[in-house]
Amino acid sequence: NAGVTQTPKFRILKIGQSMTLQCAQDMNHNYMYWYRQDPGMGLKLIYYSVGAGITDKGEVPNGYNVSRSTTEDFPLRLELAAPSQTSVYFCASSYSGTSGRETQYFGPGTRLLVL
Amino acid sequence: GENVEQHPSTLSVQEGDSAVIKCTYSDSASNYFPWYKQELGKRPQLIIDIRSNVGEKKDQRIAVTLNKTAKHFSLHITETQPEDSAVYFCAASLSGANSKLTFGKGITLSVRP
Repeated sequence: NAGVTQTPKFRILKIGQSMTLQCAQDMNHNYMYWYRQDPGMGLKLIYYSVGAGITDKGEVPNGYNVSRSTTEDFPLRLELAAPSQTSVYFCASSYSGTSGRETQYFGPGTRLLVL
Repeated sequence: GENVEQHPSTLSVQEGDSAVIKCTYSDSASNYFPWYKQELGKRPQLIIDIRSNVGEKKDQRIAVTLNKTAKHFSLHITETQPEDSAVYFCAASLSGANSKLTFGKGITLSVRP
């Protein structure tokens, strides 16, 4: 299993540009998440999904959009990039079922710089 | 919502000594408490977790203790080694449907050779 994969690894955007951060998992996990990590600030939840076709806002959703058309993929869309969106973005997935297993597995991250 | 705090923000120990990292949480309904380790430039990885129906869990050199009354849980690392140097994040959530983890800001542990 590849686990959780993310592309690209690094990207520079100009202010006002748009881009999509890709995330895929091959563990048949029902839950998927997007976090951003700013230096010294821990992980902030942007959006999450409990299954295909279902998404919900996290703590810091403004400026982002997501979709979940399949169990495997959970892309994050940035519209009108702003310098405040400079960060490292992590995608994660977990299985939440009756067994209560909630371990989140993280992707390698995407480093985004908005200039 | 849940609020998770970690103190201190940095911790330095001598190799071979023990390290204790403490977290507090605000929501008494939270019942799942994982610890993640993040090495420089790498992704966070789960190292140990505990559920509210137990008070302590061990895995080789690491252990986690939970005090539900005081709403705090701690990570204990014994016989520290230089490769233990990393940022450690604690988190809390309510198990089950719609579960979301709330992370602390992280503690940077430095193990001096």
